[in-house]
Amino acid sequence: DTAVSQTPKYLVTQMGNDKSIKCEQNLGHDTMYWYKQDSKKFLKIMFSYNNKELIINETVPNRFSPKSPDKAHLNLHINSLELGDSAVYFCASNPTGAVYEQYFGPGTRLTVT
Amino acid sequence: EDQVTQSPEALRLQEGESSSLNCSYTVSGLRGLFWYRQDPGKGPEFLFTLYSAGEEKEKERLKATLTKKESFLHITAPKPEDSATYLCAVRTGGGSEKLVFGKGTKLTVNP
Repeated sequence: DTAVSQTPKYLVTQMGNDKSIKCEQNLGHDTMYWYKQDSKKFLKIMFSYNNKELIINETVPNRFSPKSPDKAHLNLHINSLELGDSAVYFCASNPTGAVYEQYFGPGTRLTVT
Repeated sequence: EDQVTQSPEALRLQEGESSSLNCSYTVSGLRGLFWYRQDPGKGPEFLFTLYSAGEEKEKERLKATLTKKESFLHITAPKPEDSATYLCAVRTGGGSEKLVFGKGTKLTVNP
């Protein structure tokens, strides 16, 4: 009965590789997000989608490409990984209009070596 | 640019020792201030929403208050299970709906 799930939980890869992180929510929410939490624990929004439509695209390198196949899923593909991409990536969701009440997934710890 | 600053970065308390965490903000058009709790290895969990100066919200040993420039999270007689990182976030104005988070205060309550 997990609300927001992410796979994988840990991801270790080398510079230059391409990797994907998947997110699914079973809450029936219309809005989903990707956040990045760096080593200093600073949580920053990357993207948001509402009903499969991109709403927010912060100043994120275009090596990062989100995709929402349906409103319950939001995946994140990262090309040509760099050392600075190492962080914990969180997926979140909320009902339309309730941006404050976000439900977060458990996070994916990405380590680029 | 919208900014949220939390202090202190880390706080150690003895069980039963009350204290407060601070969140100050500089935003254009505040549309709400929110507190989240984050346990190690987990995603943040929503605690409170505050919309206007003078508003207060309570949950167990936690009470959140809001002024025009800052918010406080008061912890009364904390227990070890209150140990976590507490994040403050603001909802900004403008056309996009998003939250801007502070860096958090890591609270450790010793038995």
